[in-house]
Amino acid sequence: DVKVTQSSRYLVKRTGEKVFLECVQDMDHENMFWYRQDPGLGLRLIYFSYDVKMKEKGDIPEGYSVSREKKERFSLILESASTNQTSMYLCASSLHGGNTEAFFGQGTRLTVV
Amino acid sequence: QQPVQSPQAVILREGEDAVINCSSSKALYSVHWYRQKHGEAPVFLMILLKGGEQKGHEKISASFNEKKQQSSLYLTASQLSYSGTYFCGTLQGGSEKLVFGKGTKLTVNP
Repeated sequence: DVKVTQSSRYLVKRTGEKVFLECVQDMDHENMFWYRQDPGLGLRLIYFSYDVKMKEKGDIPEGYSVSREKKERFSLILESASTNQTSMYLCASSLHGGNTEAFFGQGTRLTVV
Repeated sequence: QQPVQSPQAVILREGEDAVINCSSSKALYSVHWYRQKHGEAPVFLMILLKGGEQKGHEKISASFNEKKQQSSLYLTASQLSYSGTYFCGTLQGGSEKLVFGKGTKLTVNP
C-alpha cells in the first residue's frame, strides 16, 4: 500500500518560531511537492523537488524553504512563522516523467498564534 | 500560473449530470483530475495525455482539447459518493511542477 506520511496532523506554533513540516514517502518517487490549501484558493504549489537536493520554486515560495537530503524525505521550513501562514499543508509525490499519478499525504493543519 | 476551473460550485440531486471545466492560458500537454472529500487527501481520478483524448472512471469521464487548451470532466448519473471538491492539474513551465486550479465543489443531495 503506497504511502505519503506527514509527521503531524495538527500543529500549533507561535509567531516567529522556526517550523519544520516533514513528509516521507515509501514509493521511491523522484518528485515531491508541498502545497498549501486555503478555502477558495485551491491547492497552491509552494515548492517542488525532482531529486535529492534539487528544488524549484512554486507559485508562493515566499516565507518558506525546503530541504531534501534523502530521496524519501521532503521537509518544508517556515523560517519565522507568521499568522498568515496558518493553513493546511499537503505533501505529494510522484514518479519522474511528469504525467504520473500524484499521491498525497493526509495534510498538516498548522495554526500560528 | 493556476489553471482556471468553472463553475466554482455545483449542487445536484442524485442521478443528475454535471460538467466541470478546466482551462489554461498556456499550452497544455496533459491534464490531471483529482477529487478531495471533506477532511481527506486528494485522490487521483485520471490523466489525459493527448489532445482529444477521452478517459473514463466509473461514471466519470473526461475529455481534453489540446487546441483549445481545456479539459472537461463529466459526471454522469451522479451518486452521493461523488460529493467533494474536484481539482484539475497541469504541468507548469516545461518542468514536472504540478499546479492545480482552485477547485470545483460538487454537492450531490438525495
